Amino acid sequence: QSALTQPASVSGSPGQSITISCTGTSSDVGACNSVSWYQQHPGKAPKLMIYDVTDRPSGVSDRFSGSKSGNTASLAISGLQAEDEADYHCSSFASSGTLVFGGGTKVTVL
Amino acid sequence: EVHLLESGGGLVQPGGSLRLSCAASGFTFRSYAMNWVRQAPGKGLEWVSTVGGSGADTYYPDSVRGRFSISRDNSKNTLHLQMNTLRAEDTAVYFCAKGIVGSHSFDVWGQGTMVTVSS
Repeated sequence: QSALTQPASVSGSPGQSITISCTGTSSDVGACNSVSWYQQHPGKAPKLMIYDVTDRPSGVSDRFSGSKSGNTASLAISGLQAEDEADYHCSSFASSGTLVFGGGTKVTVL
Repeated sequence: EVHLLESGGGLVQPGGSLRLSCAASGFTFRSYAMNWVRQAPGKGLEWVSTVGGSGADTYYPDSVRGRFSISRDNSKNTLHLQMNTLRAEDTAVYFCAKGIVGSHSFDVWGQGTMVTVSS
């Protein structure tokens, strides 16, 4: 199963909005609403930010939102803050019964 | 507080075996699927294995199927990953993660344990 495709890096200034894309195929991202997004700071464990494409776990800021169109899912971060600087990973359940992750995107707050 | 704590990582030679454990606390362990996810140095995350709440159902990607075996002891709230025939490309931090009911997402993660496969 091939990994999902994410941009290597995305940057923005404090207060701005950014979007991270996650492109898969009709066998994974496009096949079901099981896309998740994780935030990971250096040396730390991942933290769930979005699940089932659009749902936010309790305690996650509403500045984070998820969406999907066809085979591409997206994570939007509004009102960018210094603490948002981290790596972001997407994942999707696949019709083969497996789970695939993207390569990760490094978000830099300028 | 929900908590996961991995152990068992270390240095092993190619072809060797290692058994990882993950101690869970703060939730009804048997009610949730549990997972292993790994991250090679400087790389992205890779799903390694999933076990259902009863332990009867297990799932693996092609990269580890036949070499790794996931299991759980619900009486001890513990998750295991038996890794055999280890290869250099298995070198990674291994995280255990709690699944969300009805979703393919992981809402609680341990801090990870490092596995290094090298001669």
